[in-house]
Amino acid sequence: GAVVSQHPSRVICKSGTSVKIECRSLDFQATTMFWYRQFPKKSLMLMATSNEGSKATYEQGVEKDKFLINHASLTLSTLTVTSAHPEDSSFYICSASRGTSYNEQFFGPGTRLTVL
Amino acid sequence: DQQVKQNSPSLSVQEGRISILNCDYTNSMFDYFLWYKKYPAEGPTFLISISSIKDKNEDGRFTVFLNKSAKHLSLHIVPSQPGDSAVYFCAAQNMEYGNKLVFGAGTILRVKS
Repeated sequence: GAVVSQHPSRVICKSGTSVKIECRSLDFQATTMFWYRQFPKKSLMLMATSNEGSKATYEQGVEKDKFLINHASLTLSTLTVTSAHPEDSSFYICSASRGTSYNEQFFGPGTRLTVL
Repeated sequence: DQQVKQNSPSLSVQEGRISILNCDYTNSMFDYFLWYKKYPAEGPTFLISISSIKDKNEDGRFTVFLNKSAKHLSLHIVPSQPGDSAVYFCAAQNMEYGNKLVFGAGTILRVKS
């Protein structure tokens, strides 16, 4: 149980286009979902926290208009990278929490975004 | 300001020997610590955790030690196996901040057979 999927696993796009990444909890309802970004040889950096039906809470330094997060249901959250630029190229990982334990997060497999 | 630090970017260990991965933190408000294992192009998977009220937690080949006074924790893997080769992330939480995880930069473990 507690499986989280992400789609797509890999995406290459042109500079200036927008890219949507989906995160789904397959066998549980996720009260909270998190979006992380990982740079090469760096830690996972939390970008934002989203609760179903409410606006996402962004970490300091993360542009809200650049990284749009929607958490429309208890099993789906989306991250849209708007007007992508090469510096947005990264590995984006989501995680989901059932809320039964505050320290329980289940991670998706990640999405590799390359902006040309 | 990096609140969770893993100062060793990589570690190489012979199969069957002990692997010791270290992690230091600066925020004394952290009350829960976790270790995650990550393979390339995959998301992290939970390995083992420890509450700040304990100083040791053991699960099979994996043991986590916590030294609160030194703000230091370590993950021991014994015996190490080639399948343990991965990136290991240390993470910390504070209940005040909900489920937010603060990650270290990770340590690449290579277990040689």
